[in-house]
Amino acid sequence: DVKVTQSSRYLVKRTGEKVFLECVQDMDHENMFWYRQDPGLGLRLIYFSYDVKMKEKGDIPEGYSVSREKKERFSLILESASTNQTSMYLCATAGAYNSPLHFGNGTRLTVT
Amino acid sequence: RKEVEQDPGPFNVPEGATVAFNCTYSNSASQSFFWYRQDCRKEPKLLMSVYSSGNEDGRFTAQLNRASQYISLLIRDSKLSDSATYLCVGNTGFQKLVFGTGTRLLVSP
Repeated sequence: DVKVTQSSRYLVKRTGEKVFLECVQDMDHENMFWYRQDPGLGLRLIYFSYDVKMKEKGDIPEGYSVSREKKERFSLILESASTNQTSMYLCATAGAYNSPLHFGNGTRLTVT
Repeated sequence: RKEVEQDPGPFNVPEGATVAFNCTYSNSASQSFFWYRQDCRKEPKLLMSVYSSGNEDGRFTAQLNRASQYISLLIRDSKLSDSATYLCVGNTGFQKLVFGTGTRLLVSP
């Protein structure tokens, strides 16, 4: 079974803080993704990575950056947290082409 | 028009009923589809993958109609534990997964 672990389940941060969300997978998948999920908007792709040190922007990358120094770890960074970044953040991995995503259990971030 | 559209529901059904959801997609290049189940405040979990005309797994059947560009999910003999939001996902290329906003199902005793 694929295991995707996100470091925090709930997080509360202040406006302007730098925030790190960590994601670790144990399935040797090349491909990792960060999504955010908001009511009525569904899941939106922030960034993805198809290899170590590679990253691609998704649909809503503004205000975020990512880091992939090791294959199993993909970090999402909020450079200066803002209240409109309050959301549920989901990390996912995928193996071969056309295979489904496997999600971590999510981080519910509140920015006050 | 959204690339993947779902009726948000909720669909209210009694235990034991059969219920079907439809999901329409606009990109004819979509190569595969997935149904995910998501419980409140939890992550989506893969329910079914659909690569050709359809797939069946126990009480769950997915049908793909490429001519009309929709995919359906049928749940037979509904259980209380089936209450959740069901997400439809289209895949037009490896990193191009498009999620619907989900259909909420409520199964009552």
